[in-house]
Amino acid sequence: ETGVTQTPRHLVMGMTNKKSLKCEQHLGHNAMYWYKQSAKKPLELMFVYSLEERVENNSVPSRFSPECPNSSHLFLHLHTLQPEDSALYLCASSPSSGGTGELFFGEGSRLTVL
Amino acid sequence: QKEVEQNSGPLSVPEGAIASLNCTYSDRGSQSFFWYRQYSGKSPELIMSIYSNGDKEDGRFTAQLNKASQYVSLLIRDSQPSDSATYLCAVNLSSNTGKLIFGQGTTLQVKP
Repeated sequence: ETGVTQTPRHLVMGMTNKKSLKCEQHLGHNAMYWYKQSAKKPLELMFVYSLEERVENNSVPSRFSPECPNSSHLFLHLHTLQPEDSALYLCASSPSSGGTGELFFGEGSRLTVL
Repeated sequence: QKEVEQNSGPLSVPEGAIASLNCTYSDRGSQSFFWYRQYSGKSPELIMSIYSNGDKEDGRFTAQLNKASQYVSLLIRDSQPSDSATYLCAVNLSSNTGKLIFGQGTTLQVKP
């Protein structure tokens, strides 16, 4: 199995839908992250979880709701999104949240909001 | 001022040449610096990290750091078409919380 797996790889949803993105890491890491990647913009950090506790919430709108039930799984729940939320959502893990800088990324979930 | 700045490119070099990718950052207290490579349609992967002033070499890749000038660069020697990708500079803020700030990336094209 690959280190960090994300599902679904592609998602199309309307503005009134509710959907979830799933991330699973098989590396034994303690920290997990959600990043947003939009065209022509830098990667934007959304959330950081360390040992299942949220340690960073980077001023993300409440229509994005993260959940980390254990150190191997991370979800991003989506509801009433806007077209500008269309982007590639990348999950990553690292051995700790203490700043090693070595992130292992999943392949991403490409989200399109109609 | 952007926290991490890169020229978006594209930077085009012939096969076998040296590609030079540059990055500047605004937080003078930053301690850790990273280069990620992202192929089209793929996720970023870490290729180099550097923590001290000077050069760090790994195969065909050399990272250079100048904290006084708040400047970090990546040199790729003997560039190959397979090096064609977007290179992301990332900086760990001085608070060392694990919060990496990324630049927008430089697209490198190596022409055969």
